[in-house]
Amino acid sequence: GENVEQHPSTLSVQEGDSAVIKCTYSDSASNYFPWYKQELGKGPQLIIDIRSNVGEKKDQRIAVTLNKTAKHFSLHITETQPEDSAVYFCAATSNSGYSTLTFGKGTMLLVSP
Amino acid sequence: GAGVSQSPSNKVTEKGKDVELRCDPISGHTALYWYRQSLGQGLEFLIYFQGNSAPDKSGLPSDRFSAERTGGSVSTLTIQRTQQEDSAVYLCASSLEGWNEQFFGPGTRLTVL
Repeated sequence: GENVEQHPSTLSVQEGDSAVIKCTYSDSASNYFPWYKQELGKGPQLIIDIRSNVGEKKDQRIAVTLNKTAKHFSLHITETQPEDSAVYFCAATSNSGYSTLTFGKGTMLLVSP
Repeated sequence: GAGVSQSPSNKVTEKGKDVELRCDPISGHTALYWYRQSLGQGLEFLIYFQGNSAPDKSGLPSDRFSAERTGGSVSTLTIQRTQQEDSAVYLCASSLEGWNEQFFGPGTRLTVL
C-alpha cells in the first residue's frame, strides 16, 4: 500500500518568512495530492491540491510542487502570518476505483509575530 | 450549505463500555470515510462507504469496531468493549462520487478511562 512521509514534524518561522513542508510517497500510481490544514479543535480543511498531470499549482500565498520522478511534493507558504499557525497534513491517493487518502503524520507550523 | 457534522463532540466512557459515534455527511455526498487521529499522529483510515457498494473495512483495527451507513446518508461508528488505546479523535469525511476532495467534520474526541 501507499506510504507517505512528511517533514519536518515541527516548523517555527517569523511572521513574513516563507515555510516549506515536504512529503514523499511510495506508490508510483498515486495521482492526487491534497494538503490539509487543521486548527486546534477542528477537523482538517483542504487548502490546496495537485494532480499528477501538473508540476506546480499556486493559490495566493500558497503553492504546491510535485516531482513525480522523485515521488515527492511540497507545500510552500510565503509571507507567513500568525493565522497560518496550525498542523498541516499532506496526503496521496491513486484513485484506483476509490479515493481513500493516505496521510502524512503532520507538521505543526508556528508563526511568531 | 451545511458541512459535515459529528456528534457528540466529546465522549468520556469507562473501559469495557460500548460507544456510538455519529456522522452526518454533506447532502448529496455519496462517499463517507471514518478516520482515527491519535495524539500527535496523522489520520488513520478506518472504513469507507461508497453508494450502495460494500464498504471497505480494511482499516478497522479489530472486530470491536464496526460502522453502518443507513439510507446512504448518516453513518454510525460503534466501538464495543472500549479499551484505553481507543482514546483518540474520530473524524468523519464525505465527498462527491468520483471526486477526491474530502470534507471533514469537527471530530469526536473519545476518552476511555
